[in-house]
Amino acid sequence: DQQVKQNSPSLSVQEGRISILNCDYTNSMFDYFLWYKKYPAEGPTFLISISSIKDKNEDGRFTVFLNKSAKHLSLHIVPSQPGDSAVYFCAASGPLRLTFGKGTHLIIQP
Amino acid sequence: DTGVSQNPRHKITKRGQNVTFRCDPISEHNRLYWYRQTLGQGPEFLTYFQNEAQLEKSRLLSDRFSAERPKGSFSTLEIQRTEQGDSAMYLCASSTPLRNTIYFGEGSWLTVV
Repeated sequence: DQQVKQNSPSLSVQEGRISILNCDYTNSMFDYFLWYKKYPAEGPTFLISISSIKDKNEDGRFTVFLNKSAKHLSLHIVPSQPGDSAVYFCAASGPLRLTFGKGTHLIIQP
Repeated sequence: DTGVSQNPRHKITKRGQNVTFRCDPISEHNRLYWYRQTLGQGPEFLTYFQNEAQLEKSRLLSDRFSAERPKGSFSTLEIQRTEQGDSAMYLCASSTPLRNTIYFGEGSWLTVV
């Protein structure tokens, strides 16, 4: 049973435009959500997070939105840059560990 | 560099052999995690330590897998009698109790031939 779902395996966006990556979760006990970025052959790198008591968190070009009633969160990247091409993982925090989605491969087209 | 350190970065082994990976967490982090990632999947939780105590183990961690953190600092993950299905990237991560964010190392690639 997949508790964190990223339904788009890949996403292609033109450089300079907005990238929107989506994530859904099923467990209402999750209280903290994170996005990680991963390049091939490297470990995931923490990008941005949000507590369940908030609905938005912004850090530079990255903004995460949380809709608790819909159990949905999204990551917005604007403007998208070539270096943003990577796999993005959504993760949800339970009592002792993080549960990850399968990732979305973001491709930034020149 | 004060990040999470893992070694070896790559390991190729024959089926049936034992392998061991080492993880050195960020120095002030008392929580340590092992995850496994295969192609097309997100990181899957294997086990969690708080200091030297192993507090949770996933059912993915079969009897052939054992993890230790003897002095609450570095950790080792041993896989005995490796199988081809063990081929994956093994990720170590660490955190403090004050934050929910975990920080990953660069991973150890295992290929079983």
